[in-house]
Amino acid sequence: EAGVAQSPRYKIIEKRQSVAFWCNPISGHATLYWYQQILGQGPKLLIQFQNNGVVDDSQLPKDRFSAERLKGVDSTLKIQPAKLEDSAVYLCASSLGTLGYEQYFGPGTRLTVT
Amino acid sequence: GQQVMQIPQYQHVQEGEDFTTYCNSSTTLSNIQWYKQRPGGHPVFLIQLVKSGEVKKQKRLTFQFGEAKKNSSLHITATQTTDVGTYFCAGLRYSTLTFGKGTMLLVSP
Repeated sequence: EAGVAQSPRYKIIEKRQSVAFWCNPISGHATLYWYQQILGQGPKLLIQFQNNGVVDDSQLPKDRFSAERLKGVDSTLKIQPAKLEDSAVYLCASSLGTLGYEQYFGPGTRLTVT
Repeated sequence: GQQVMQIPQYQHVQEGEDFTTYCNSSTTLSNIQWYKQRPGGHPVFLIQLVKSGEVKKQKRLTFQFGEAKKNSSLHITATQTTDVGTYFCAGLRYSTLTFGKGTMLLVSP
């Protein structure tokens, strides 16, 4: 079974530029998550999708971050414009459902904003 | 909002010593999950605890969920160098999982 795929693996941009990340979850997984993990901290949930609907985006900085999962499969996360404090690893995860299912994480995208 | 705290932040042990990390939530949880993240890697699911007072074992790892469903612990008996990594607890409330900051474990041979 293929795991969660993410691209790119690394990205370096200057502040005020825009960037997009892509995630393809495990086949059949209805729930998809985007997390931000700053060095030395735990993953922080940015947004959670159930199929193509948003379950929780309470911690998504909506003035600069956006995410979509139009066909209920793969997803993109965008940052525009980026700030220095956005430097982090962006992890995508998927699970069969929302309640009490283990989450499978992708390898992450390491973003550096200079 | 919901907060999940873990202690200690960091622990360095000699191979063969035991290790324990503790997790506390500010609110009652539906369940708690534990993940392990190796250096440079991504979190990998270890286990889920659902019932009040539940205890589960995986070889040398013992997981406990508190009676009030607000705290949990992970105990590793006789650590090995392969146990190196950061251990995260994550508490589920409603449909949102909140991760603690993790405990980084270093094991010296």
